[in-house]
Amino acid sequence: ETGVTQTPRHLVMGMTNKKSLKCEQHLGHNAMYWYKQSAKKPLELMFVYNFKEQTENNSVPSRFSPECPNSSHLFLHLHTLQPEDSALYLCASSQQTSGSGVQETQYFGPGTRLLVL
Amino acid sequence: AQTVTQSQPEMSVQEAETVTLSCTYDTSESDYYLFWYKQPPSRQMILVIRQEAYKQQNATENRFSVNFQKAAKSFSLKISDSQLGDAAMYFCALGVLETSGSRLTFGEGTQLTVNP
Repeated sequence: ETGVTQTPRHLVMGMTNKKSLKCEQHLGHNAMYWYKQSAKKPLELMFVYNFKEQTENNSVPSRFSPECPNSSHLFLHLHTLQPEDSALYLCASSQQTSGSGVQETQYFGPGTRLLVL
Repeated sequence: AQTVTQSQPEMSVQEAETVTLSCTYDTSESDYYLFWYKQPPSRQMILVIRQEAYKQQNATENRFSVNFQKAAKSFSLKISDSQLGDAAMYFCALGVLETSGSRLTFGEGTQLTVNP
């Protein structure tokens, strides 16, 4: 148990569906991340939220839409996905201290395994 | 840009023996951190050990230790007295702090099997 929870743990959806992934961190952190883990590929950073503001979007298709209503919650809204979007989606959080130059450890949730049919 | 390379897709070790997982990286940053994460079949990504690049002393955490060779940009993980519960995918990661926040670049992973 890392203090980061994700729901649902498994999700099967059709290409026309709309669904959302939820992440919640209980560590008092102020930065949250979405990663995509596909088979045979390294983890890919999708989105970064720092102090609740999106600070990075790594050219992710618009069919993925993040939302960070507060520093403890992070959502990933999904719509009109493609079969190649099937993957494990991991959420992580860390404590960023502005200007400190310290690389804080990221703590990961258990992931949501997504299958797009 | 940062890159991380794990050249061993699979490794195996006998229970109670020692195994070393390799990792090389490349970055132009002078200030960075290195991590080893473990991902068992549950898919939970768990931090194993972390090393600050400015520290010369190798990090240790119980049975886990690293061999950090900064000039060679090498960061290997040694697992001593291997246990069945150590079986997992191990990821090496390079962390740099950007204005947008901390950014981790992961290697492709090494699948470790522990034989009884």
